[in-house]
Amino acid sequence: EAGVAQSPRYKIIEKRQSVAFWCNPISGHATLYWYQQILGQGPKLLIQFQNNGVVDDSQLPKDRFSAERLKGVDSTLKIQPAKLEDSAVYLCASSLGGLADKYNEQFFGPGTRLTVL
Amino acid sequence: AQSVTQLGSHVSVSEGALVLLRCNYSSSVPPYLFWYVQYPNQGLQLLLKYTTGATLVKGINGFEAEFKKSETSFHLTKPSAHMSDAAEYFCAVSDSAGGFKTIFGAGTRLFVKA
Repeated sequence: EAGVAQSPRYKIIEKRQSVAFWCNPISGHATLYWYQQILGQGPKLLIQFQNNGVVDDSQLPKDRFSAERLKGVDSTLKIQPAKLEDSAVYLCASSLGGLADKYNEQFFGPGTRLTVL
Repeated sequence: AQSVTQLGSHVSVSEGALVLLRCNYSSSVPPYLFWYVQYPNQGLQLLLKYTTGATLVKGINGFEAEFKKSETSFHLTKPSAHMSDAAEYFCAVSDSAGGFKTIFGAGTRLFVKA
């Protein structure tokens, strides 16, 4: 079974520029997550989708970050404009979703390492 | 609210020695507990999980963890370290009170010396 795909793997931008990340979850997984992992810290949830609806975006800085999952499959995360403190690895994960998924076992992609200069 | 504390940001062991990575959690209801491993430039991979039932949980690559409710702990162990175990390890918790949102600890980097 194919895993979670993410692109690009690395991105370097200047502050105030915009950037977008793409994620394709495991086929059949209804739930999709975007995490921010700052160096030396554990992943922090930015946004969680169930199919194409948002379940939790309480920690998403909505003044600059946006995310969508229009067809309930792949997803994009955008930052506009970027700040120095946005330098991090952005991880996408997916899980089955629904009642069978209450243990919330997540499968992670390789991440996108963003450097903001 | 749930939280996870991993004691020691770095742990170093010799090859063949016991690996012990410590994790304490806070949860107001029965928790689900996880250990994930992250190799350089890769995403996180599930090592093992505790949901209900047997408190000693066995995972991949010879790792195991024991849920101790009285100590609110879920320490990860492996009897004999291998060079390939060098990675970052994350403990995580989710529970019904938190809507099954997964909260990760800060991670422990394991170094294995030859």
